[in-house]
Amino acid sequence: GAGVSQSPSNKVTEKGKDVELRCDPISGHTALYWYRQRLGQGLEFLIYFQGNSAPDKSGLPSDRFSAERTGESVSTLTIQRTQQEDSAVYLCASSPAYTSETQYFGPGTRLLVL
Amino acid sequence: DQQVKQNSPSLSVQEGRISILNCDYTNSMFDYFLWYKKYPAEGPTFLISISSIKDKNEDGRFTVFLNKSAKHLSLHIVPSQPGDSAVYFCAASGKSNYQLIWGAGTKLIIKP
Repeated sequence: GAGVSQSPSNKVTEKGKDVELRCDPISGHTALYWYRQRLGQGLEFLIYFQGNSAPDKSGLPSDRFSAERTGESVSTLTIQRTQQEDSAVYLCASSPAYTSETQYFGPGTRLLVL
Repeated sequence: DQQVKQNSPSLSVQEGRISILNCDYTNSMFDYFLWYKKYPAEGPTFLISISSIKDKNEDGRFTVFLNKSAKHLSLHIVPSQPGDSAVYFCAASGKSNYQLIWGAGTKLIIKP
């Protein structure tokens, strides 16, 4: 594939349910980022993976949020016991290295928690 | 605590005229600034950047100006075209290089 892909594109869930969001980065990109964008706000950093290094989880808002990445491939962001305030667009980006300038974004997953 | 602020939620400009988008920041440790452009239902795409050692960077119709003393940067688009209609985000990074701090975005509308 040419770019970063994310699935699902839209997700509606009930409060209290768990959700799993998927990100397929550009092949060969060692860095992968997850962001959250609430309505009318900027992107909020969640987590960063760089190769086999320990991820930077400093942006995760609570212990209900977790993310995994296997090597330099697919990543999944899991939100347990979803709350209404988790409703947002979740964006994934990848880059060839840690240089911020070359972050390539996927289209995002729009999550709505009822 | 908004470290990067875009105070104009929207801006409307006539086609062919200059569009000026503004961004203010509070953290003097930021040393790299970026502008991203976002169309509906798509992820942001990188547009132009500037290092804190410069005060201007130009790329075709796009120029970014940085005023470090005022902690202010602006994006100029000349001439504005209908395809420029999008949401523009200002972002800043510090020494870690990978963690970007984002503004809330400005929706630019180019009128024909």
